[in-house]
Amino acid sequence: AQSVTQPDIHITVSEGASLELRCNYSYGATPYLFWYVQSPGQGLQLLLKYFSGDTLVQGIKGFEAEFKRSQSSFNLRKPSVHWSDAAEYFCAVGAGEYGNKLVFGAGTILRVKS
Amino acid sequence: SQTIHQWPATLVQPVGSPLSLECTVEGTSNPNLYWYRQAAGRGLQLLFYSVGIGQISSEVPQNLSASRPQDRQFILSSKKLLLSDSGFYLCAWRAGQGSTEAFFGQGTRLTVV
Repeated sequence: AQSVTQPDIHITVSEGASLELRCNYSYGATPYLFWYVQSPGQGLQLLLKYFSGDTLVQGIKGFEAEFKRSQSSFNLRKPSVHWSDAAEYFCAVGAGEYGNKLVFGAGTILRVKS
Repeated sequence: SQTIHQWPATLVQPVGSPLSLECTVEGTSNPNLYWYRQAAGRGLQLLFYSVGIGQISSEVPQNLSASRPQDRQFILSSKKLLLSDSGFYLCAWRAGQGSTEAFFGQGTRLTVV
């Protein structure tokens, strides 16, 4: 069965420091991959997605993610974190026929310290 | 523009009572529809998804069921609620398949007492 693993439940970084959130997926074919962010009291917002082509994808708010097939990973990165980035981040995979089944990971809560 | 409506926002129900949560989408046709339950530390657990009227895929065997009586309507139901059904339920839609973005409703906070 398809699954998404986000190994880090909580991460704390200093404002201005770099960030990497890990995501590993389990799926036999090339998946559709997504990162979403949920700010406190807000709905989920799409940061970026990957389905083919360049394995390094750029998203909104200065985020990027790299698809590594050999590692079944799709890690999210940002070179310099801002206090407003504090939120919960979800990795997701579109699996099954035509990617219809959208499966999310458990999420990583990012805390930013000043 | 497309919008998604999910209601009610909060619900308190006694154990053993029935449940019906409704989700409707406007401004699109033939969307993929999803029900998730969000719990702290467990992310968004996919409960059901539907690619068309009357087509329901169940992901987690449990006390809940889903139906899609109309193209843009998705209903989450239970005949008899359990305490363990308490949680935050989210409806979502996608236009088509593949790499399309999912859009979420505001959610329903269900407390079973």
